[in-house]
Amino acid sequence: GQNIDQPTEMTATEGAIVQINCTYQTSGFNGLFWYQQHAGEAPTFLSYNVLDGLEEKGRFSSFLSRSKGYSYLLLKELQMKDSASYLCAEAGGTSYGKLTFGQGTILTVHP
Amino acid sequence: DAGITQSPRHKVTETGTPVTLRCHQTENHRYMYWYRQDPGHGLRLIHYSYGVKDTDKGEVSDGYSVSRSKTEDFLLTLESATSSQTSVYFCAIWSGDFNEQFFGPGTRLTVL
Repeated sequence: GQNIDQPTEMTATEGAIVQINCTYQTSGFNGLFWYQQHAGEAPTFLSYNVLDGLEEKGRFSSFLSRSKGYSYLLLKELQMKDSASYLCAEAGGTSYGKLTFGQGTILTVHP
Repeated sequence: DAGITQSPRHKVTETGTPVTLRCHQTENHRYMYWYRQDPGHGLRLIHYSYGVKDTDKGEVSDGYSVSRSKTEDFLLTLESATSSQTSVYFCAIWSGDFNEQFFGPGTRLTVL
């Protein structure tokens, strides 16, 4: 399988910026996804990167470096509602949507 | 939400009994997936389908079977449930138009 590594837990303060890193194996790479998952709910899509560089979407941005097998999710102007688990997932292989997920990073935002 | 529903949403069953979980989608997506989510393991792919009657195994397929006789329905069956199959099960579809995978609301299964 393909190893996806991300930190288990992070904490941050409301209004601050936090960066959640993700590393993956580079063979057979077809894209890198980030999902947000609140406790007891389904994952919801945040971003998709297939080319190197930064993709910005409101308060959330995602970065990809294919040569380094590295991505990060950047959350700006943190709000209490951003407290959730953030899942990094790699699309690999030849079948659409076969995602390999990391274990997720639990982000806690404090007042 | 991409029109994905799962049933049942919660189920408690006993070891050794058969269990079938249903995923239903209303938008004619070709690709459908079943994942399980457990603490310490994240989401893991069980089986997936790339069309009617076309299915394949994922990372953790042992003890599970699937069927897809219609585009809109993807069934996951545990032939003889074990306690290790206690988990939250998510169905997902792939939207090629948006390069996104949308998840259903999940089914919480407890095997006693």
